[in-house]
Amino acid sequence: NAGVTQTPKFQVLKTGQSMTLQCAQDMNHNSMYWYRQDPGMGLRLIYYSASEGTTDKGEVPNGYNVSRLNKREFSLRLESAAPSQTSVYFCASSSRGRASGGRPDNEQFFGPGTRLTVL
Amino acid sequence: QKEVEQNSGPLSVPEGAIASLNCTYSDRGSQSFFWYRQYSGKSPELIMFIYSNGDKEDGRFTAQLNKASQYVSLLIRDSQPSDSATYLCAVTMYSSASKIIFGSGTRLSIRP
Repeated sequence: NAGVTQTPKFQVLKTGQSMTLQCAQDMNHNSMYWYRQDPGMGLRLIYYSASEGTTDKGEVPNGYNVSRLNKREFSLRLESAAPSQTSVYFCASSSRGRASGGRPDNEQFFGPGTRLTVL
Repeated sequence: QKEVEQNSGPLSVPEGAIASLNCTYSDRGSQSFFWYRQYSGKSPELIMFIYSNGDKEDGRFTAQLNKASQYVSLLIRDSQPSDSATYLCAVTMYSSASKIIFGSGTRLSIRP
């Protein structure tokens, strides 16, 4: 099992360019998330998808769009990148409804992150 | 007001001592509470979770929850240098149990 994978690992964009961050999980999880992490800011929720076919805004959705392509994949799109979007982006997933081994069903498993710089 | 608040630290604790990390949250309807550990340059990983008022112990870690005061804490006993990391408090929102909000994290440093 690869767990949660993210592509790309690093990306440099110019202001105004667009790009899509890809996320996939092979754990048959229902819920998926996108967070950004800036120094001293912890993780801030951008969007989440509680289940296939649904998406909802988090704390900082402005400037982003998401697509839950299927149960495995959840992408994050920046339509017109701005320097304020320079950050590390983490994708996460959780099973939601299938607790096992004493672990909570809403335990989040994180991908390795994408480090994005917008010049 | 942020929905989940933590002191950013750094918190410096001598090896072998107890490290105490605190977190407050604003949503009275929150049901699930988590502590994640994040090493520098790595992804967060779950170390403790708690749903009910009181204490929950797992090895050297104890999570404490007080819903009336909207307060969650993490105690690390016999602190080791390997415990040096950022600790993130996370809380589910009443509006959606799938919506999980994190605090800004507390950076913990264990000094030998």
